[in-house]
Amino acid sequence: TQLLEQSPQFLSIQEGENLTVYCNSSSVFSSLQWYRQEPGEGPVLLVTVVTGGEVKKLKRLTFQFGDARKDSSLHITAAQPGDTGLYLCAGTGAGSYQLTFGKGTKLSVIP
Amino acid sequence: EPEVTQTPSHQVTQMGQEVILRCVPISNHLYFYWYRQILGQKVEFLVSFYNNEISEKSEIFDDQFSVERPDGSNFTLKIRSTKLEDSAMYFCASNPDSSGANVLTFGAGSRLTVL
Repeated sequence: TQLLEQSPQFLSIQEGENLTVYCNSSSVFSSLQWYRQEPGEGPVLLVTVVTGGEVKKLKRLTFQFGDARKDSSLHITAAQPGDTGLYLCAGTGAGSYQLTFGKGTKLSVIP
Repeated sequence: EPEVTQTPSHQVTQMGQEVILRCVPISNHLYFYWYRQILGQKVEFLVSFYNNEISEKSEIFDDQFSVERPDGSNFTLKIRSTKLEDSAMYFCASNPDSSGANVLTFGAGSRLTVL
């Protein structure tokens, strides 16, 4: 069974600060995705990474896939209140369309 | 922007009753999924569906669950005899192809409350 552990579980920071959240596993994933979920809504895809060591940027968000494809990080620069939400990582194993989700990091950015 | 539509948004039912949750995936998508999220827990895979048959299912997806694509647009999840522990948000998702990146679009979810 593939498991994804996300840390921290909760994060509260001031507007303008930088932050990094982590997604770790002992398993290798063929792809890893980051989603953002608002209360009462479905997850919304932010990015997909598929190559070990890959780095993708989405405005102030930087996503990295570990070299061994077992872990990933999401870095937010100069966080804004609009970044508040639940950030989920999810991965697929080889030959599967099944997404395994982490429990998420609940981010609060205080104005 | 195309979206996945789910109905109802919230359903309350008595234990033992049958429930059907409906989804309209994005029109040119070929792969369809159901996930669920029990309150405070992580999103869990239930089933994937392609070419009118189940391609993968999890341990959660037991004989009480079934899926169907009754026409060209709807994708349904049926729970035959609901249990208290079936209370959760149920998310439908779809993606267009079999790319390894498995890029899903999720619906807003159907909240099921079993009393």
